[in-house]
Amino acid sequence: EIQLQESGPGLVKPSQSLSLTCSVTGYTITSGYDWSWIRKFPGNKMEWMGYISNSGSTNYNPSLKIRISITRDTSKNQFFLQLNSVTTEDTATYYCARMDGWYLFDYWGQGVMVTVSS
Amino acid sequence: DIQMTQTPSSMPASLGERVTISCRASQGISNYLNWYQQKPDGTIKPLIYYTSNLQSGVPSRFSGSGSGTDYSLTISSLEPEDFAMYYCQQYDSSPWTFGGGTKLELK
Repeated sequence: EIQLQESGPGLVKPSQSLSLTCSVTGYTITSGYDWSWIRKFPGNKMEWMGYISNSGSTNYNPSLKIRISITRDTSKNQFFLQLNSVTTEDTATYYCARMDGWYLFDYWGQGVMVTVSS
Repeated sequence: DIQMTQTPSSMPASLGERVTISCRASQGISNYLNWYQQKPDGTIKPLIYYTSNLQSGVPSRFSGSGSGTDYSLTISSLEPEDFAMYYCQQYDSSPWTFGGGTKLELK
């Protein structure tokens, strides 16, 4: 069974960096598919943030392009999100997800709530 | 970016009722439209891909349709586990964007 699990700090101070980890079990992230980060804001708006492909290339939402970095550790079957210079507007629940050939996010983590506050 | 507008934002409904949720794109998206369900515990599950194709394991009471800019998700007869949030998502062009969500509530 494929499972994704997000982890990371629940509280980040403004201007600092947000760093999250997605641990994948049941599938090797280099075998196929693209691996995304998506966030859901208070008020229910959802935003696709970017992905890292199975080959290691990345594609980011232009709205975040100067602040975001998605990387991976293939030895641990994990991928990571770093979002720099956060503000209170980055407060959201962050999800990692697998995207299939139909651009369908077919497996999701449970989400981790991150609050940006001093 | 393509804007996705979902209506209604909330919908009270009864068990056994047939409901339809709409999703309108700011430009034609050539049927590149997926649907998701989010349960109150935060769990997100894919329902439909490419407008009308049921994801494996999804009950047949769910269906999708549409073309051009207008798409819909229909639940033919509401079951207790269907009361949740629903989102559409376009993938005609990056960045992939989501609708604002529809909360299906028990009347």
